[in-house]
Amino acid sequence: QKEVEQNSGPLSVPEGAIASLNCTYSDRGSQSFFWYRQYSGKSPELIMFIYSNGDKEDGRFTAQLNKASQYVSLLIRDSQPSDSATYLCAADWGGNMLTFGGGTRLMVKP
Amino acid sequence: DVKVTQSSRYLVKRTGEKVFLECVQDMDHENMFWYRQDPGLGLRLIYFSYDVKMKEKGDIPEGYSVSREKKERFSLILESASTNQTSMYLCASSPTGDTEAFFGQGTRLTVV
Repeated sequence: QKEVEQNSGPLSVPEGAIASLNCTYSDRGSQSFFWYRQYSGKSPELIMFIYSNGDKEDGRFTAQLNKASQYVSLLIRDSQPSDSATYLCAADWGGNMLTFGGGTRLMVKP
Repeated sequence: DVKVTQSSRYLVKRTGEKVFLECVQDMDHENMFWYRQDPGLGLRLIYFSYDVKMKEKGDIPEGYSVSREKKERFSLILESASTNQTSMYLCASSPTGDTEAFFGQGTRLTVV
């Protein structure tokens, strides 16, 4: 069974702080990982993806992948209230199919 | 911009009704997906299609069927709606070889 696990939260951070969102997965065969952001009542939108071990940076966002430990994380620097949303981690085991975690709700307080 | 459009934002149906949820994408994507999203459970894949008239079961296909007669359109069918199918339904599409999925706005279905 291929599973992706996330802490449901809410994760509360003050404005300007670093938010750290974590995700673990069950199967070492996963090829790539995706972080989606979903505002309440809206559909998910892709933030970034990562498929190599290490860090990948895009603006205020950094994705980190550790395949040996089977975890992937998303760091949000200088968190803003507009970052408050649910963050979904997803893994691709091939075949263009994604398996999603349950999502972590992030709250950034002014 | 990629556009994935679902026919309804909100839908209320009675138990036992046959329900059709429609999804259209305008980017000539080969892959299309139907997910349902429930609190704490994330998105669960119901069915997907990688070509016209092709379909594959996802993780929770029971009680659902799909139809893909044209490349741009992927329909989800609830043969006999039940209250446990009350959920948010999300359609997505992606091109072959690229797993980035683009989502529609979602249909919140309530079965009473």
